[in-house]
Amino acid sequence: QVQLVESGGGVVQPGRSLRLSCAASGFTFSSFAMHWVRQAPGKGLEWVAVISYDKINEYYADSMKGRLSISRDNSKNMLYLQMNSLRPEDTAVYYCAGGFGELSWFDPWGQGILVTVSS
Amino acid sequence: DIQMTQSPSSVSASVGDRVTITCRASQNINSWLAWYQQKPGRAPKLLIYAASSLQSGVPSRFSGSGSGTDFTLTISSLQPEDFATYYCQQANSFPLTFGGGTKVEIK
Repeated sequence: QVQLVESGGGVVQPGRSLRLSCAASGFTFSSFAMHWVRQAPGKGLEWVAVISYDKINEYYADSMKGRLSISRDNSKNMLYLQMNSLRPEDTAVYYCAGGFGELSWFDPWGQGILVTVSS
Repeated sequence: DIQMTQSPSSVSASVGDRVTITCRASQNINSWLAWYQQKPGRAPKLLIYAASSLQSGVPSRFSGSGSGTDFTLTISSLQPEDFATYYCQQANSFPLTFGGGTKVEIK
């Protein structure tokens, strides 16, 4: 069945880096744009970044621009999010999600992975 | 950035009630709008896309309408499994943005 599974989360100190991974299965990963969406504890949803199906286009939310790099490996059905210079306000559950394009709604979704930025 | 404003922020309703949630965009987004349902500790689930198209597998008691700047999600007869938080999202331009959410609670 269609599945997205995130990994790589955890507790990290402010200013440090973290790389999230998302493993896809059950659908043609290489045909989908892939997004990251986050949700701070008790808060709403915030779109973070997208990479096109062919890796040509990348777009980022202003809140994290310059500190993020999204990438993918279509041969491995993997999506990545490199996060640098992390701040306490980056604490959130991070979801990977598929889209029909860069400008898109999101389906499917992963189960989410918690990133906690704290000293 | 396009601001998405949902109302109400919460609603108390009973099983069988008709529930309507509205979402207003700060500028014209045509029909580039989706609705999601999220239950505690779970990922959001796509319900409606392109403002009024029902996602496969979603019960027909859910419906969406609107275009331009004003949109509505309607649950025609609330079921116990529908108690959750609902979000709208615009896909017209970057950054993609969500409404603040509407929590549907048991009355």
